[in-house]
Amino acid sequence: EVQLLESGGGLVEPGGSLRLSCAASGSMSWLRQAPGKGMEWVSSISAGGSNTYYADSVKGRFTISRDNSKNTMYLQMNSLRAEDTAVYYCATGWSYLDYWGEGTLVTVSS
Amino acid sequence: EIVMTQSPATLYVSPGERATLSCRASQSVGSNLAWYQQKPGQPPRRLIYGASTRATGIPDRFSGSGSGTEFTLTISSLQSEDFAVYYCQQYNNWPPLTFGGGTKVEIK
Repeated sequence: EVQLLESGGGLVEPGGSLRLSCAASGSMSWLRQAPGKGMEWVSSISAGGSNTYYADSVKGRFTISRDNSKNTMYLQMNSLRAEDTAVYYCATGWSYLDYWGEGTLVTVSS
Repeated sequence: EIVMTQSPATLYVSPGERATLSCRASQSVGSNLAWYQQKPGQPPRRLIYGASTRATGIPDRFSGSGSGTEFTLTISSLQSEDFAVYYCQQYNNWPPLTFGGGTKVEIK
């Protein structure tokens, strides 16, 4: 079974930035879950990295990328807002999501 | 954006009984629907894709059915480890990928 591990979460002030990382293979996605809430898709990237997609709620603030030489995917998160507070998961695939990481908590608060 | 609606929000079931969970799409998604199970403090686990195909390692007490706008996840005989939140997700028309709000299956 594929094992995924996210890193890079933490506490950041509103307007700040964080970069999340995840081991990557094939097309990949980021999703998030605010405390006590349901699942929200954030972004997806193709296996080669040439195709990227974003939720409207993060477009222009978040950037998904990957370094296939390091088998790593990233989510650069800028201009963070309180409503971005959530557990962020990486997952394999960009249709149904086959394997999920354990998640990393991002808290945006002053 | 396709809106996914799950019902009921909470389902109370006794161990050994059948559980039937519903998911409705605001427009047709064909068979491009997945189901996930999530337990507290854990990531979601994929159960079903293509509306009815069980993912590798998923017990056959889990079954999915439906197409178009109406879908069902059935758990034929609930085991203690099946009490969890279940989400449906469409991937027919994206971005965005969209999820239902979830159904929590609790012990009756």
